[in-house]
Amino acid sequence: RKEVEQDPGPFNVPEGATVAFNCTYSNSASQSFFWYRQDCRKEPKLLMSVYSSGNEDGRFTAQLNRASQYISLLIRDSKLSDSATYLCVVNGSPTTDSWGKLQFGAGTQVVVTP
Amino acid sequence: DARVTQTPRHKVTEMGQEVTMRCQPILGHNTVFWYRQTMMQGLELLAYFRNRAPLDDSGMPKDRFSAEMPDATLATLKIQPSEPRDSAVYFCASGPGPTDTQYFGPGTRLTVL
Repeated sequence: RKEVEQDPGPFNVPEGATVAFNCTYSNSASQSFFWYRQDCRKEPKLLMSVYSSGNEDGRFTAQLNRASQYISLLIRDSKLSDSATYLCVVNGSPTTDSWGKLQFGAGTQVVVTP
Repeated sequence: DARVTQTPRHKVTEMGQEVTMRCQPILGHNTVFWYRQTMMQGLELLAYFRNRAPLDDSGMPKDRFSAEMPDATLATLKIQPSEPRDSAVYFCASGPGPTDTQYFGPGTRLTVL
């Protein structure tokens, strides 16, 4: 079983609509969580960190559910430029050798259509 | 605007040749990572350095791959000899520390014929 799992999609979303998707992680001791965005043939870029209390950045909202070991990303009022692959990223436990090693999910593809 | 730089951006080579990829991390970052990305496997961690010391290279095929940081401004990933299955995009990333996010370079797109 992979440490970070995501629905690969694609999620086809009409412009202006809301889309949400989750990812699950297997290491209950994980401390840091992130969403990265990757455009086609480009490098991954940090979209936002995910905090325990949930956090919002403009049209993007991230939530963390430690009990069920998943994080979510919600995009409101989708724009054409939101079309990308969204990578769920989890940092290893600080008490293990995996601290500092980010575990990347395979990504969820979002396609926003006019 | 500080960025991670990687060279070359594209490399086409023949099987058996040596390939060296270079990365300049963001000044002041003390963690450096090498990743490989393919359609089939996604993003795989190959090597991880902290303060120039190699901490983990368990994801790297030891017989042909090697990663080094000769100084704080340069990380290298070498493949010798290269094989067609090494064709992928190789990303270098750096971060201020183990608790922080990582910033990726633009990648080296490697094709081994």
